[in-house]
Amino acid sequence: NAGVMQNPRHLVRRRGQEARLRCSPMKGHSHVYWYRQLPEEGLKFMVYLQKENIIDESGMPKERFSAEFPKEGPSILRIQQVVRGDSAAYFCASSRGRDYEQYFGPGTRLTVT
Amino acid sequence: AQKITQTQPGMFVQEKEAVTLDCTYDTSDQSYGLFWYKQPSSGEMIFLIYQGSYDEQNATEGRYSLNFQKARKSANLVISASQLGDSAMYFCAMRVNYGGSQGNLIFGKGTKLSVKP
Repeated sequence: NAGVMQNPRHLVRRRGQEARLRCSPMKGHSHVYWYRQLPEEGLKFMVYLQKENIIDESGMPKERFSAEFPKEGPSILRIQQVVRGDSAAYFCASSRGRDYEQYFGPGTRLTVT
Repeated sequence: AQKITQTQPGMFVQEKEAVTLDCTYDTSDQSYGLFWYKQPSSGEMIFLIYQGSYDEQNATEGRYSLNFQKARKSANLVISASQLGDSAMYFCAMRVNYGGSQGNLIFGKGTKLSVKP
């Protein structure tokens, strides 16, 4: 499968725990975007990364959320001390560059209990 | 401010008929792109079609076409010969290019399309 891969597909965390969401972009893609989808809503941009660089994090909450895209390995979205309001679907998209189509992964559905 | 508006929360269409899903956008930027994505009940986001702001021809991809009216700032999706498998949420999205923060998509709230047999 040459598509964007995300894991886990479903993640359950208790309040206060940490959530780590992984995204492996399509082959040949070096640009990664993270989006969050709350129930009954469209997707909201969170952060845009290239290898080893955060290009735009204007959509990221200021606290508890961080993202990275290391030289080797997948992009990681980390949510520390999760709260119920973090329950959502988190999508990763990748592209060849800023001006190209973004292809989405299947999403990670985070449930905070 | 950049914004995408989809005014139809839900739509019904008879199988084999055509349907138009509305999308209007707001931006002061001259260079932008418009996208449509399909989200079936399984949850994944499937890219359907793209229209650049400088493209003079309306984009088409198989049964999907984008009715781009720049002066009206509308980018409606037309699905011809609807199939049962077209039942899904459809999202219109825009990408603008400004400053150093470029590339992210702005999504509408979506339209839920139901195809009746």
